[in-house]
Amino acid sequence: TQLLEQSPQFLSIQEGENLTVYCNSSSVFSSLQWYRQEPGEGPVLLVTVVTGGEVKKLKRLTFQFGDARKDSSLHITAAQPGDTGLYLCAGARNAGNMLTFGGGTRLMVKP
Amino acid sequence: SAVISQKPSRDICQRGTSLTIQCQVDSQVTMMFWYRQQPGQSLTLIATANQGSEATYESGFVIDKFPISRPNLTFSTLTVSNMSPEDSSIYLCSVYPGTNNEQFFGPGTRLTVL
Repeated sequence: TQLLEQSPQFLSIQEGENLTVYCNSSSVFSSLQWYRQEPGEGPVLLVTVVTGGEVKKLKRLTFQFGDARKDSSLHITAAQPGDTGLYLCAGARNAGNMLTFGGGTRLMVKP
Repeated sequence: SAVISQKPSRDICQRGTSLTIQCQVDSQVTMMFWYRQQPGQSLTLIATANQGSEATYESGFVIDKFPISRPNLTFSTLTVSNMSPEDSSIYLCSVYPGTNNEQFFGPGTRLTVL
């Protein structure tokens, strides 16, 4: 059983469209990270959220941590082909603890 | 953050052989991890590499198959032993510098077993 459920698994959209990726769990996390991975590379950390209800913005990307710290979302506005990649959420149950990764969302943005 | 390098970046191996993957970090870190990422999948934690003691393995992974060394705070190796085609994956090391559970990853080693 996946501790972190990520949806959708695959997403293919046109350039300029908006999209949201969800990361859900029945467990509470002390922090949650979002990573992006491109082919042939390791995951690159995009953001960390630690406070329930927290919202962080990174250019066209908006990350939100649920009030109960059980879920998170990533919203991309006006997607571009450069946003193509595998998006991974990862949660830590306790400070300094190991990460549990979601199943990943493979995004393709077509020009 | 931390800069992490892995060697080799990719390899093609025959079944029954072993491959050792190296992970080098540009700063001293307490915690290093090894992950496996099978084709099209997310990351699965293999083990935590502990400096000065044996690695801590996750369920489904054993020391005989994936021996790990951690001789100092900047270096670790993962060996994939007695390989079979099912071991074909990307193997990633990561480090935890100690802030907000953030981990930083190496570029990965793409292993193909024939």
